[in-house]
Amino acid sequence: EIVLTQSPGTLSLSPGERATLSCRASQTVGSNYVAWYQHKPGQAPRLLIHGASSRATDVPDRFSGSGSGTDFTLTISRLEPEDFAVYYCQQYGTSRTFGQGTKVETK
Amino acid sequence: QVQVVQSGAEVAKPGASVKVSCKTSGYNFIDYYIHWVRQAPGQGLEWMGIMNPLGGTTTHPQKFQGKVILTRDMSTTTVYMELRSLTSEDTAVYYCARESRGLRGMDVWGQGTTVTVSS
Repeated sequence: EIVLTQSPGTLSLSPGERATLSCRASQTVGSNYVAWYQHKPGQAPRLLIHGASSRATDVPDRFSGSGSGTDFTLTISRLEPEDFAVYYCQQYGTSRTFGQGTKVETK
Repeated sequence: QVQVVQSGAEVAKPGASVKVSCKTSGYNFIDYYIHWVRQAPGQGLEWMGIMNPLGGTTTHPQKFQGKVILTRDMSTTTVYMELRSLTSEDTAVYYCARESRGLRGMDVWGQGTTVTVSS
């Protein structure tokens, strides 16, 4: 099983700041099949990025994904108030696993 | 429009089973896989398994083999998740979500179903 480790656990930032979230895999993720999801309390998760760097439909361009192999990054260029949430990476190169999540909270 | 609608909340006793439905509409049922994901209180997302509606085949991580049974009804384009031998650790919100055969992530999710296991 591929284990995904996300860091940091919590990110305390202010609106307008840049957020950089990391996701490290225990082994190479085939075809860079990594997705990122945003999850808010009481809502279903929302797909942001697939294939490590492709934005999903209707996702604002302040969200971007990068990386390959074992190291992947989600960047939010300028935080909007609605971006404060928990973010999960997920790999789908070998079965499926989720990271433990990074909470982006208001500083 | 594309919709994925789950059945309502369940309360069950330890040792019992529950069956949660995931009704899909607005797209070609066989063109998308259906996943099940859960979130226990205070925990992260956990992948439970995948159903291929085309042939009805399923795959689960080892933790859920024999614990989770996925079935589908082609006539109603609904996928079912049966969770057996419930314990308090199965108390969680359960989500179904679709993923295209092109493997572009889980793009449409159900609203979630809360399952509470309590004696």
